[in-house]
Amino acid sequence: AQKITQTQPGMFVQEKEAVTLDCTYDTSDQSYGLFWYKQPSSGEMIFLIYQGSYDEQNATEGRYSLNFQKARKSANLVISASQLGDSAMYFCAMRDELLYNNNDMRFGAGTRLTVKP
Amino acid sequence: NAGVMQNPRHLVRRRGQEARLRCSPMKGHSHVYWYRQLPEEGLKFMVYLQKENIIDESGMPKERFSAEFPKEGPSILRIQQVVRGDSAAYFCASSPPWERDINEQFFGPGTRLTVL
Repeated sequence: AQKITQTQPGMFVQEKEAVTLDCTYDTSDQSYGLFWYKQPSSGEMIFLIYQGSYDEQNATEGRYSLNFQKARKSANLVISASQLGDSAMYFCAMRDELLYNNNDMRFGAGTRLTVKP
Repeated sequence: NAGVMQNPRHLVRRRGQEARLRCSPMKGHSHVYWYRQLPEEGLKFMVYLQKENIIDESGMPKERFSAEFPKEGPSILRIQQVVRGDSAAYFCASSPPWERDINEQFFGPGTRLTVL
């Protein structure tokens, strides 16, 4: 069974600084995908970044990068140059990506990030 | 191309009533997933459907909950005889068929169910 752990219920960061949100996972699958979603107070789920288990390079999307350490089973999200609008809940998620397998996502409990001016 | 659409966005029901939540996937997407999010928690998988088929309902409560994705029309998550503990945000996500990128899963805005 897959399990996602986010150990930081809340984080604070000063505007314009970088912040790392932790995510560890547990799976016996060989092929899987790791995702980060942002959920602002309005409630929608916003896709941020994706990392495939066989991708050799860390994924980057603008100010977001994923620090993927496969041996340690961690997929931390790094947000550079934090902005006030980054204040939100952040969820790490994982999905088995074997073709024809069920590809539902498993989510962590989330980390609430607050950016201070 | 419109995103995943869910309606209603907010739904209020009294205990014992039925709740019907609708999800229209993105155009070209044939896979639909339903998730539930309790306050201050992450999303929990409920059910995975393709057109006219339930593929995985391992996350669905055994009673009162059902889901369908008919050949025509939106996917429906139905909760019968709602109780206060059903109050949550219900998210739908969709993804394209297997022959396309399988790492895409797009979420709708969610339906917030409140049971009085």
